[in-house]
Amino acid sequence: DVKVTQSSRYLVKRTGEKVFLECVQDMDHENMFWYRQDPGLGLRLIYFSYDVKMKEKGDIPEGYSVSREKKERFSLILESASTNQTSMYLCASTDRAGYTFGSGTRLTVV
Amino acid sequence: DQQVKQNSPSLSVQEGRISILNCDYTNSMFDYFLWYKKYPAEGPTFLISISSIKDKNEDGRFTVFLNKSAKHLSLHIVPSQPGDSAVYFCAASGVGSSGSARQLTFGSGTQLTVLP
Repeated sequence: DVKVTQSSRYLVKRTGEKVFLECVQDMDHENMFWYRQDPGLGLRLIYFSYDVKMKEKGDIPEGYSVSREKKERFSLILESASTNQTSMYLCASTDRAGYTFGSGTRLTVV
Repeated sequence: DQQVKQNSPSLSVQEGRISILNCDYTNSMFDYFLWYKKYPAEGPTFLISISSIKDKNEDGRFTVFLNKSAKHLSLHIVPSQPGDSAVYFCAASGVGSSGSARQLTFGSGTQLTVLP
């Protein structure tokens, strides 16, 4: 089974801090995604990557950046955290067969 | 504008009865549809999918129906069990602009509660 591991389950950060959310997958998948989940809005795509050092903006990239230096690791970066970035962040990895999600990181920005 | 809509934020059914969760989409380029189930504090897990060349797919208690002309799909759970209580997300996929990286567009989710 593919495992997608997100390094933190819960994070509390202060406004203005730089925040790193890490995601690692162990099945050599090319494609990795970052979503955020908010009540009433479902899952919204922030960024995705289809290869090392490649990245593309999703639907809501503002305030975020990403890094994919190695195939197995996809990092989401909040350059200067704001309270409206309080959310559940979900990483996913996929080959052509389907998506596997990590358990999520609940980020609270105070 | 939401391309995938789940108009019911919540649904309650009695154990043993049928649960029907609905989903509508607007993008006619979508050709693959999925349902995910999510428990609190966990990531979504894949439940069932259907390709646009089919109109029905079954897997045990779960059946997904696709009506392409109406751009509508539904998930039926029969019989419903208390362990089915979760948030259910509908998702749709088409060939992405980057080729192999198929993107999923999610609905807002429906909280299903199965009452014992």
